Amino acid sequence: DTGVSQDPRHKITKRGQNVTFRCDPISEHNRLYWYRQTLGQGPEFLTYFQNEAQLEKSRLLSDRFSAERPKGSFSTLEIQRTEQGDSAMYLCASSTTGYSTDTQYFGPGTRLTVL
Amino acid sequence: DAKTTQPNSMESNEEEPVHLPCNHSTISGTDYIHWYRQLPSQGPEYVIHGLTSNVNNRMASLAIAEDRKSSTLILHRATLRDAAVYYCILSPSGSARQLTFGSGTQLTVLP
Repeated sequence: DTGVSQDPRHKITKRGQNVTFRCDPISEHNRLYWYRQTLGQGPEFLTYFQNEAQLEKSRLLSDRFSAERPKGSFSTLEIQRTEQGDSAMYLCASSTTGYSTDTQYFGPGTRLTVL
Repeated sequence: DAKTTQPNSMESNEEEPVHLPCNHSTISGTDYIHWYRQLPSQGPEYVIHGLTSNVNNRMASLAIAEDRKSSTLILHRATLRDAAVYYCILSPSGSARQLTFGSGTQLTVLP
Protein backbone atom coordinates (compact mmCIF):
# COMPACT_ATOMS: atom_id res chain seq x y z
CA ASP A 1 0.00 0.00 0.00
CA THR A 2 1.78 3.09 -1.26
CA GLY A 3 -0.91 5.56 -0.24
CA VAL A 4 -2.46 8.35 -2.27
CA SER A 5 0.03 10.34 -4.31
CA GLN A 6 -0.36 13.75 -5.91
CA ASP A 7 1.72 15.54 -8.49
CA PRO A 8 3.06 18.16 -8.48
CA ARG A 9 3.42 19.01 -4.81
CA HIS A 10 3.80 22.69 -5.56
CA LYS A 11 2.76 24.80 -8.53
CA ILE A 12 3.32 28.49 -9.08
CA THR A 13 1.57 30.04 -12.04
CA LYS A 14 0.60 33.41 -13.39
CA ARG A 15 -2.97 34.60 -13.46
CA GLY A 16 -4.75 33.47 -16.59
CA GLN A 17 -2.70 30.32 -17.13
CA ASN A 18 -4.12 26.80 -17.08
CA VAL A 19 -2.90 24.22 -14.59
CA THR A 20 -3.46 20.48 -14.23
CA PHE A 21 -2.96 18.34 -11.15
CA ARG A 22 -2.80 14.57 -10.95
CA CYS A 23 -3.93 12.19 -8.22
CA ASP A 24 -3.11 8.48 -7.99
CA PRO A 25 -5.38 6.80 -5.45
CA ILE A 26 -4.69 3.66 -3.43
CA SER A 27 -4.81 0.91 -6.05
CA GLU A 28 -7.92 -0.99 -4.97
CA HIS A 29 -9.94 2.11 -4.13
CA ASN A 30 -12.82 2.85 -6.50
CA ARG A 31 -13.86 6.19 -4.96
CA LEU A 32 -11.88 9.36 -5.44
CA TYR A 33 -12.50 12.81 -4.00
CA TRP A 34 -11.05 16.27 -4.60
CA TYR A 35 -11.01 18.93 -1.88
CA ARG A 36 -9.64 22.46 -1.68
CA GLN A 37 -8.13 23.99 1.44
CA THR A 38 -7.32 27.65 1.97
CA LEU A 39 -5.10 28.91 4.74
CA GLY A 40 -6.54 28.47 8.22
CA GLN A 41 -9.63 26.62 7.01
CA GLY A 42 -10.62 22.98 6.86
CA PRO A 43 -10.77 21.25 3.48
CA GLU A 44 -13.85 21.89 1.31
CA PHE A 45 -15.32 19.28 -1.00
CA LEU A 46 -15.04 19.86 -4.74
CA THR A 47 -16.05 16.66 -6.53
CA TYR A 48 -16.29 12.88 -6.25
CA PHE A 49 -15.85 9.91 -8.60
CA GLN A 50 -16.94 6.33 -8.28
CA ASN A 51 -14.82 4.44 -10.78
CA GLU A 52 -14.81 6.68 -13.87
CA ALA A 53 -18.16 8.33 -13.19
CA GLN A 54 -18.21 11.82 -11.69
CA LEU A 55 -21.18 11.58 -9.34
CA GLU A 56 -21.15 14.81 -7.39
CA LYS A 57 -19.86 18.33 -7.85
CA SER A 58 -19.78 21.19 -5.38
CA ARG A 59 -20.99 24.69 -6.18
CA LEU A 60 -17.35 25.67 -5.56
CA LEU A 61 -16.45 23.92 -8.80
CA SER A 62 -16.91 26.76 -11.26
CA ASP A 63 -16.90 26.43 -15.06
CA ARG A 64 -13.15 26.93 -15.03
CA PHE A 65 -12.63 23.69 -13.13
CA SER A 66 -12.85 20.26 -14.69
CA ALA A 67 -11.99 16.86 -13.28
CA GLU A 68 -11.62 13.53 -15.00
CA ARG A 69 -10.93 9.95 -14.06
CA PRO A 70 -10.69 8.32 -17.48
CA LYS A 71 -10.15 4.67 -16.59
CA GLY A 72 -11.27 4.67 -13.02
CA SER A 73 -7.70 4.84 -11.78
CA PHE A 74 -5.82 8.16 -11.61
CA SER A 75 -7.64 11.49 -11.77
CA THR A 76 -6.78 14.94 -13.04
CA LEU A 77 -8.07 18.31 -11.92
CA GLU A 78 -7.67 21.17 -14.38
CA ILE A 79 -8.16 24.84 -13.64
CA GLN A 80 -8.44 27.11 -16.66
CA ARG A 81 -7.70 30.83 -16.63
CA THR A 82 -6.46 30.75 -13.06
CA GLU A 83 -7.31 33.60 -10.70
CA GLN A 84 -5.55 34.68 -7.52
CA GLY A 85 -8.49 33.33 -5.55
CA ASP A 86 -7.63 29.84 -6.78
CA SER A 87 -4.51 29.85 -4.63
CA ALA A 88 -5.00 26.98 -2.20
CA MET A 89 -4.00 23.44 -1.35
CA TYR A 90 -5.76 20.89 -3.56
CA LEU A 91 -6.23 17.58 -1.81
CA CYS A 92 -7.17 14.21 -3.23
CA ALA A 93 -8.60 11.35 -1.21
CA SER A 94 -9.66 7.80 -2.02
CA SER A 95 -11.81 5.15 -0.41
CA THR A 96 -13.39 1.83 -1.22
CA THR A 97 -16.90 0.41 -1.18
CA GLY A 98 -17.91 -2.56 0.89
CA TYR A 99 -17.89 -0.93 4.29
CA SER A 100 -20.65 0.67 6.27
CA THR A 101 -18.93 4.04 6.31
CA ASP A 102 -16.58 5.79 3.97
CA THR A 103 -13.11 6.23 5.46
CA GLN A 104 -11.09 8.44 3.17
CA TYR A 105 -7.33 8.40 2.78
CA PHE A 106 -5.75 11.66 1.72
CA GLY A 107 -2.75 12.49 -0.37
CA PRO A 108 -0.19 15.15 0.56
CA GLY A 109 -1.86 17.78 -1.59
CA THR A 110 -0.78 20.14 -4.36
CA ARG A 111 -0.17 23.69 -3.25
CA LEU A 112 -1.13 26.17 -5.95
CA THR A 113 0.05 29.77 -5.90
CA VAL A 114 -1.39 32.11 -8.51
CA LEU A 115 0.61 35.32 -8.96
CA ASP B 1 -25.53 17.82 7.43
CA ALA B 2 -25.36 17.66 11.20
CA LYS B 3 -22.91 20.14 12.69
CA THR B 4 -20.04 19.53 15.10
CA THR B 5 -18.58 21.98 17.61
CA GLN B 6 -14.98 21.77 18.81
CA PRO B 7 -12.75 24.09 20.83
CA ASN B 8 -10.47 26.17 18.62
CA SER B 9 -7.33 25.15 20.46
CA MET B 10 -5.98 22.98 23.27
CA GLU B 11 -2.63 22.44 24.90
CA SER B 12 -1.15 19.35 26.41
CA ASN B 13 2.11 18.34 27.97
CA GLU B 14 4.18 15.66 26.32
CA GLU B 15 3.52 12.12 27.56
CA GLU B 16 0.26 13.10 29.22
CA PRO B 17 -3.20 12.03 28.04
CA VAL B 18 -5.23 14.41 25.90
CA HIS B 19 -9.01 14.52 25.72
CA LEU B 20 -10.34 16.34 22.67
CA PRO B 21 -14.09 17.03 22.92
CA CYS B 22 -16.67 17.29 20.16
CA ASN B 23 -20.33 18.22 20.46
CA HIS B 24 -22.81 16.99 17.86
CA SER B 25 -26.23 17.49 19.38
CA THR B 26 -28.09 17.13 16.04
CA ILE B 27 -26.51 13.78 15.15
CA SER B 28 -28.84 11.33 13.42
CA GLY B 29 -29.08 7.63 14.12
CA THR B 30 -27.11 6.64 11.02
CA ASP B 31 -24.26 9.14 11.42
CA TYR B 32 -20.81 7.75 12.10
CA ILE B 33 -18.42 9.91 14.11
CA HIS B 34 -15.07 10.25 12.35
CA TRP B 35 -11.89 11.89 13.58
CA TYR B 36 -9.18 13.03 11.23
CA ARG B 37 -6.07 15.02 11.99
CA GLN B 38 -3.89 17.21 9.85
CA LEU B 39 -0.24 17.67 10.62
CA PRO B 40 1.48 20.79 9.32
CA SER B 41 1.93 20.79 5.54
CA GLN B 42 0.27 17.39 5.12
CA GLY B 43 -3.10 16.08 4.00
CA PRO B 44 -5.64 15.00 6.62
CA GLU B 45 -5.05 11.61 8.19
CA TYR B 46 -7.75 9.22 9.36
CA VAL B 47 -7.59 8.61 13.11
CA ILE B 48 -10.65 6.65 14.22
CA HIS B 49 -14.39 6.33 13.77
CA GLY B 50 -17.34 4.89 15.67
CA LEU B 51 -21.11 4.65 15.72
CA THR B 52 -22.31 3.90 19.23
CA SER B 53 -19.71 1.94 21.17
CA ASN B 54 -16.34 3.19 22.34
CA VAL B 55 -13.53 2.28 19.95
CA ASN B 56 -9.81 1.76 20.33
CA ASN B 57 -7.06 1.52 17.78
CA ARG B 58 -3.31 1.93 17.79
CA MET B 59 -3.56 5.69 17.43
CA ALA B 60 -6.31 6.67 19.82
CA SER B 61 -9.54 5.86 21.61
CA LEU B 62 -12.96 7.26 20.88
CA ALA B 63 -15.44 7.63 23.72
CA ILE B 64 -19.03 8.21 22.60
CA ALA B 65 -21.66 9.52 24.99
CA GLU B 66 -24.64 7.30 25.57
CA ASP B 67 -26.99 9.79 23.87
CA ARG B 68 -24.38 10.22 21.06
CA LYS B 69 -24.60 13.99 21.32
CA SER B 70 -20.94 14.28 22.14
CA SER B 71 -17.72 12.33 21.79
CA THR B 72 -14.14 12.56 22.99
CA LEU B 73 -10.98 11.61 21.17
CA ILE B 74 -8.39 10.34 23.62
CA LEU B 75 -4.67 10.32 22.91
CA HIS B 76 -3.25 8.24 25.73
CA ARG B 77 0.26 9.70 25.73
CA ALA B 78 0.72 12.81 23.65
CA THR B 79 3.95 13.19 21.76
CA LEU B 80 5.31 16.19 19.91
CA ARG B 81 4.33 14.44 16.68
CA ASP B 82 0.67 14.58 17.74
CA ALA B 83 0.62 18.37 17.36
CA ALA B 84 -1.97 18.87 14.63
CA VAL B 85 -5.45 20.13 13.83
CA TYR B 86 -8.00 17.51 14.88
CA TYR B 87 -11.32 17.38 13.04
CA CYS B 88 -14.49 15.72 14.30
CA ILE B 89 -16.78 14.89 11.37
CA LEU B 90 -20.18 13.22 11.07
CA SER B 91 -20.69 10.96 8.08
CA PRO B 92 -23.89 9.09 7.25
CA SER B 93 -23.63 5.35 6.75
CA GLY B 94 -24.59 3.44 3.65
CA SER B 95 -23.03 5.41 0.83
CA ALA B 96 -20.10 7.47 -0.21
CA ARG B 97 -20.16 10.89 1.26
CA GLN B 98 -18.09 13.99 1.09
CA LEU B 99 -16.50 14.90 4.40
CA THR B 100 -17.59 18.25 5.80
CA PHE B 101 -14.67 19.65 7.75
CA GLY B 102 -15.15 22.38 10.33
CA SER B 103 -12.26 24.42 11.64
CA GLY B 104 -11.13 21.71 14.06
CA THR B 105 -9.07 21.90 17.25
CA GLN B 106 -5.45 22.96 17.04
CA LEU B 107 -3.57 20.77 19.51
CA THR B 108 -0.28 22.09 20.83
CA VAL B 109 1.95 19.62 22.67
CA LEU B 110 4.43 21.18 25.06
CA PRO B 111 7.75 19.46 25.74
